[in-house]
Amino acid sequence: DAGVTQSPTHLIKTRGQQVTLRCSPKSGHDTVSWYQQALGQGPQFIFQYYEEEERQRGNFPDRFSGHQFPNYSSELNVNALLLGDSALYLCASSWGWGGNTEAFFGQGTRLTVV
Amino acid sequence: AQKITQTQPGMFVQEKEAVTLDCTYDTSDQSYGLFWYKQPSSGEMIFLIYQGSYDEQNATEGRYSLNFQKARKSANLVISASQLGDSAMYFCAMSDNTDKLIFGTGTRLQVFP
Repeated sequence: DAGVTQSPTHLIKTRGQQVTLRCSPKSGHDTVSWYQQALGQGPQFIFQYYEEEERQRGNFPDRFSGHQFPNYSSELNVNALLLGDSALYLCASSWGWGGNTEAFFGQGTRLTVV
Repeated sequence: AQKITQTQPGMFVQEKEAVTLDCTYDTSDQSYGLFWYKQPSSGEMIFLIYQGSYDEQNATEGRYSLNFQKARKSANLVISASQLGDSAMYFCAMSDNTDKLIFGTGTRLQVFP
């Protein structure tokens, strides 16, 4: 049983560019959440998708957007990249909505903006 | 607003000894969950243990146990019989009833022989 998979694992982009990160949830999971983890910090919640809709959003600008597909996989898009967007981006999947369910994380995508 | 505080940036423990990693939380919700995750240098967050706010008994998972003191709003992780492979970052997190996780700043644990 494959866990949460993210691609790519590493990415280097230039300021002002756009980037798309991808996540496939654990089998049987229908909820996908995205987190940004800056160096030396804990992960910060970006947003969460359930039934192909954004259900919650953290304190991130509109440059951060996402999508969830019918197969529950998800994309995170970041436009107009800033140097401060350099971080590890983690995807987490869980089952259902509204409960204290265990979230499984992928290995992350390390984004470097130069 | 919910908040997690981890006051120990780093901890050292000798192999086979027990270690306690501290975590306090703040929330006005009655229903919430408390989690501990391990993050090795590879980056993946590995789930260790979960405690629900209404659970009266402390959660245990193998060598991991969660010392839940609701009145003090603390949820300390106890690792018994430490192993060299336990060296990693450890994050305490909480969720409300929407599955969003709020993380602390983490504690780096180093296990030495």
